[in-house]
Amino acid sequence: NAGVMQNPRHLVRRRGQEARLRCSPMKGHSHVYWYRQLPEEGLKFMVYLQKENIIDESGMPKERFSAEFPKEGPSILRIQQVVRGDSAAYFCASSGYDTEAFFGQGTRLTVV
Amino acid sequence: GEDVEQSLFLSVREGDSSVINCTYTDSSSTYLYWYKQEPGAGLQLLTYIFSNMDMKQDQRLTVLLNKKDKHLSLRIADTQTGDSAIYFCAEREGKLIFGQGTELSVKP
Repeated sequence: NAGVMQNPRHLVRRRGQEARLRCSPMKGHSHVYWYRQLPEEGLKFMVYLQKENIIDESGMPKERFSAEFPKEGPSILRIQQVVRGDSAAYFCASSGYDTEAFFGQGTRLTVV
Repeated sequence: GEDVEQSLFLSVREGDSSVINCTYTDSSSTYLYWYKQEPGAGLQLLTYIFSNMDMKQDQRLTVLLNKKDKHLSLRIADTQTGDSAIYFCAEREGKLIFGQGTELSVKP
């Protein structure tokens, strides 16, 4: 049973480009969470999704950021028109209903 | 409001016990978690405790929960240099709410 898989592990984008981060949850998990971690800081919640539904997006910036978790396939975190301040590690976690959450290894986004 | 707090740094000598403390805010949280993060890596789930428990032991790890004071602690017995990492506590309110992390430094 593979763990939570995130790809790519490292992503470099120029300012103004789009970044797409993928997260495949553990088998049997239908809940996905995205977090952002800046250097030397803790994890900031971004969005919580179940299959085809956004449950809580209170941590998502109002512009340029979107997330989806379709019926088939991985969850996608999309950042449009990236800026230098978007450079961070983005972590995804998955869980069942009210069970422990497991994290992926993260995607490290660098905006140049 | 949502606020999980931890002290930022802890330094111990190899072989000693480490105690990492955390306070949380939501008394309705059903699960409380401890995660470990090594440099450049993701978060590894170490252990968790149900809110109706006072204590949970798992090998060198002991979790204590004081619901009245909303205080959670993680004790690592016989701390090793390989335990050096950042430790995060988290409470579950639908999503996981994390503390800032405690950086544990183990000196030989």
